[in-house]
Amino acid sequence: QKEVEQDPGPLSVPEGAIVSLNCTYSNSAFQYFMWYRQYSRKGPELLMYTYSSGNKEDGRFTAQVDKSSKYISLFIRDSQPSDSATYLCASGPGYSSASKIIFGSGTRLSIRP
Amino acid sequence: KAGVTQTPRYLIKTRGQQVTLSCSPISGHRSVSWYQQTPGQGLQFLFEYFSETQRNKGNFPGRFSGRQFSNSRSEMNVSTLELGDSALYLCASSLGTSGSSYNEQFFGPGTRLTVL
Repeated sequence: QKEVEQDPGPLSVPEGAIVSLNCTYSNSAFQYFMWYRQYSRKGPELLMYTYSSGNKEDGRFTAQVDKSSKYISLFIRDSQPSDSATYLCASGPGYSSASKIIFGSGTRLSIRP
Repeated sequence: KAGVTQTPRYLIKTRGQQVTLSCSPISGHRSVSWYQQTPGQGLQFLFEYFSETQRNKGNFPGRFSGRQFSNSRSEMNVSTLELGDSALYLCASSLGTSGSSYNEQFFGPGTRLTVL
């Protein structure tokens, strides 16, 4: 079992819809949770960075962490064609090393105009 | 503030050759990590540098090596290239000043390596 599991999709929704992207993780030591957006042939871009449980909102994006169920979600409101990309979730324990960060395999999202 | 830069952006090599990739982190960031990204394996950790010292290495053969300079710029080298080394190589930088800061990584655009 991978430490961070993510449905690869592809996920296709109409413009304006609310998108829900999800990941599960298995390591109870994970305290930090990240979402990255990666456009085709580009590097991942850090979208959201949260610590522990709860919600964090940034514009149309909301990250949600439920540590009791080890579930991570990213919600996109009023989705736009420009949101079409691969979304990667990642989790880490917060040790002084990037080597402990585990990335999901990514969900490919397509927003239909 | 300038982001992470990587050069070159694209490389085509043949089997058996060697290659050197370069990464300049965000100004003030002292930690640099390298990742290999392929469609089948996703993002795989290669190695991590902090203050010119390799702190961790992922599960890759010794053909993969790297270094970091005093200005935090980093290079990675792959010798005796194999077809399976074709991938997007990504560099990420973080402040490296605390445990939490390592999780906030900023990636460069990557170098796409094709081995023929």
